[in-house]
Amino acid sequence: EVQLVESGGGLVQPGGSLRLSCAASGFTFNGYWMNWVRQAPGKGLECVAKIKHDGSEKHYVDSVKGRFTISRDNAKNSLFLQMNSLRAEDTAIYYCVRRVVTLKVFDHWGQGTLVTVSS
Amino acid sequence: QTVVTQEPSFSVSPGGTVTLTCGLSSGSVSTSYYPSWYQQTPGQAPRTLIYTTDTRSSGVPDRFSGSILGNKAALTITGAQADDESDYYCLLYMGSGISVFGGGTKLTVL
Repeated sequence: EVQLVESGGGLVQPGGSLRLSCAASGFTFNGYWMNWVRQAPGKGLECVAKIKHDGSEKHYVDSVKGRFTISRDNAKNSLFLQMNSLRAEDTAIYYCVRRVVTLKVFDHWGQGTLVTVSS
Repeated sequence: QTVVTQEPSFSVSPGGTVTLTCGLSSGSVSTSYYPSWYQQTPGQAPRTLIYTTDTRSSGVPDRFSGSILGNKAALTITGAQADDESDYYCLLYMGSGISVFGGGTKLTVL
């Protein structure tokens, strides 16, 4: 069974940093692109960052470029999101999501971790 | 910048049929956009329902179906049940590795 378990969320002040983690199991982690998708309170879904199966390509939504860094450790079946210079508008639930490239679908989702940026 | 459009809200009676759509602010949706659909109940993570236009994910009841209707992707729920009351999001592939979510449709079953 595919499982994605996020951790690392919490309350942080504007300008602060946070590192999210996602522990993957039940599939060959190094065979998939992985993504972080966020959802602000009462809002829709937004793709934030994605990383190729071997870590050689990374892409970000414009609003987080230069502030967020996605990475992965295939030996530990783990995905990360380093978030710096956090802003109030980064407040959201962050989901770790597996993507099947050939089918263009996000096929498995974690339960999410809440990040709150507030003073 | 092309926006993915969905009805903000919709209502259906229990046992009824409803079709939610997913369009583009400019242009038509085709199978080349690999439409997929996600269901999200309050407080829960999204669940994948449909991908590549009309393929149901494992475990999804056959009362959920996907299609292209006119110039939009569509999600049809036949025989709606109370626990189908959720937010539904579509996702379209724009090319060059980029996929974009629609704003979501809040479905009420009453």
